Amino acid sequence: DTEVTQTPKHLVMGMTNKKSLKCEQHMGHRAMYWYKQKAKKPPELMFVYSYEKLSINESVPSRFSPECPNSSLLNLHLHALQPEDSALYLCASSQTGAEAFFGQGTRLTVV
Amino acid sequence: QKEVEQNSGPLSVPEGAIASLNCTYSDRGSQSFFWYRQYSGKSPELIMFIYSNGDKEDGRFTAQLNKASQYVSLLIRDSQPSDSATYLCAVGVQGGSEKLVFGKGTKLTVNP
Repeated sequence: DTEVTQTPKHLVMGMTNKKSLKCEQHMGHRAMYWYKQKAKKPPELMFVYSYEKLSINESVPSRFSPECPNSSLLNLHLHALQPEDSALYLCASSQTGAEAFFGQGTRLTVV
Repeated sequence: QKEVEQNSGPLSVPEGAIASLNCTYSDRGSQSFFWYRQYSGKSPELIMFIYSNGDKEDGRFTAQLNKASQYVSLLIRDSQPSDSATYLCAVGVQGGSEKLVFGKGTKLTVNP
């Protein structure tokens, strides 16, 4: 089972809203990731959690706030986003820190 | 800056042919290499990984790695229309926790 579950699948939010994206994996993977993908571009790494601790922040603006409540869950809290933040947000997990398995993504539209 | 380069294509092959996708990378210390398939509007799906020089076969897919030339390729034999997708090459780089650097992807179309 290589399932990573993301909710919601679609999200429309205003620039003054606060929302959260959720990600769950039950494979016992030690690393979890948030990626952002714009149309016709490759995924861009945002954050890496390893053993529930933030290990990489790729200079992401503070309007994106990650949280890892436990080894199976990963959240991305969104606040005061801009229209250019509209994208597909992908969660992934990995046991080895190399082979990453992606969830289905949340398509975010900021209006 | 660690980079992964792919021919952006598009690459078009007839059904039943061999599709060849190529990728080069800049970080000589990289040890892990991956191919992801991404259908339009969907998330990337891991289809192959390779860690050692040489070939690795899985069904119709063969990954090839040449660390001396910093080159990775993916061959798809007996291509099917369902193989039409964007193929992303990804390379594992060390950065605290290992992370993936993606190429820009090659769009493959298999024509019936």
